[in-house]
Amino acid sequence: QITLQESGPSLLKPTQTLTLTCSFSGFSLNTNGVGVAWIRQTPGKALQWLALIYWDDSKRYSRSLTDRLTITKDTSKNQVVLTLTNVDPLDTATYYCAHTHVDTALDYWGLGTLVTVS
Amino acid sequence: EIVLTQSPAILSLSPGERATLSCTASQSISDTLAWYQQKPGQAPRLLIYRASTRAVGIPARFSGSGSGTEFTLTISSLQFEDFAIYYCQQYHKWPPRITFGPGTTVDMK
Repeated sequence: QITLQESGPSLLKPTQTLTLTCSFSGFSLNTNGVGVAWIRQTPGKALQWLALIYWDDSKRYSRSLTDRLTITKDTSKNQVVLTLTNVDPLDTATYYCAHTHVDTALDYWGLGTLVTVS
Repeated sequence: EIVLTQSPAILSLSPGERATLSCTASQSISDTLAWYQQKPGQAPRLLIYRASTRAVGIPARFSGSGSGTEFTLTISSLQFEDFAIYYCQQYHKWPPRITFGPGTTVDMK
């Protein structure tokens, strides 16, 4: 059974760095084809993909945020960490992490964590 | 960047009716398209991947079709629990730069 859980600060001030952790179980990021993505959703708005990391350490970032984002994995802890530098009130959103595989889409999601920048 | 557009923005239907949602990609993405359902206060749920493959546990009333740039999600007979927002998402070319469509709200007439 695959589960993911996001954790991190609920409130940040502008210019600070946001660090979010996705803790997961039921799969390994050492397994061929497996990846973890981060997605956010501003209140009442659509979904925005942020970053992806795969079992082989391949990474992809949203073009609009690439200068501010870093994604890393710790396979021994079953965690993926996302950092977003220089936050702004526009970064206020619910942040989700999700499991993916090269042959599927985002098939398992965490419950999300609300981050407010004010 | 591959842009996805969805139509209509809002679809007002009654239970039992057929819902047809469209998603158009700005360039060909083969069949690397997924559909998600989201209800208020919940994370999105994967319905369809590879344009037409139902995810685990998804009822047969949900079906997807299309390839290239034009895709469709069909709900054959709307149930009360199907009233929600539906998003399409592309994951073309590994490792993909994912994009989502703006969503279609299916609400009750």
